[in-house]
Amino acid sequence: EVHLEESGGGVGQPGKSLKLSCAASGFTFDDYAMHWVRQAPGKGLEWVSSIAWNSGSSGYADSVKGRFIISRDNAKRSLYLEMNSLRVEDTALYHCVKAESKSWGTPFDNWGLGTQVTVSS
Amino acid sequence: QAVLTQPSSLSASPGASASLTCTLRSDINVGPYIIYWYQQKPGSPPQLLLRYQSDSHKQQGFGVPRRFSGSKDASANAAILLISGLQSDDEADYYCLIWHNTAWVFGGGTKLTVV
Repeated sequence: EVHLEESGGGVGQPGKSLKLSCAASGFTFDDYAMHWVRQAPGKGLEWVSSIAWNSGSSGYADSVKGRFIISRDNAKRSLYLEMNSLRVEDTALYHCVKAESKSWGTPFDNWGLGTQVTVSS
Repeated sequence: QAVLTQPSSLSASPGASASLTCTLRSDINVGPYIIYWYQQKPGSPPQLLLRYQSDSHKQQGFGVPRRFSGSKDASANAAILLISGLQSDDEADYYCLIWHNTAWVFGGGTKLTVV
């Protein structure tokens, strides 16, 4: 059974950094691209970033481009999101999501429960 | 103007049908797009209901009943999620999703109330 467990959330100050992690199990991690999707309190879903199975390509939403960096370590079966220059509007529940195939152009399959990030001074 | 627009809320009665729309921005033609529909219940992550491109290219999500179906209205430049035989358990938020210009785009979501 696919299991995705996010960690690293918490309270961060505007302008500072946080790094999220996602531990994957129950599937062959390096056979799949991975995504981060966030949901602000009481709001809708927003795609954040994605990375291909071999880290050969990645993509970012305009709202985080230049500030966030997605990465993965296939040996550790882990996905990461380095969040820099945090803004209040980055406050959200961040979900780690498995893609349907190696390409990040395939949609969201299995979801983790998320880790809460709150940006506040 | 948002890429995908969904009505924020919709109410329908048990046993009735509900038609949830996802309208694409006027400069984006709904025709070629695969539309993904997700259901999200409070406190849970979203689940894929179905994907729809055309009547010959569509796929139900794993374990999703046939009373959930997709279609397109080309005249309205919109995708439609039709839920028939509404049940109280269908009360949830529903999101459409497309792959557009090398990015994933969600609609704002529709909160469906079954009363």
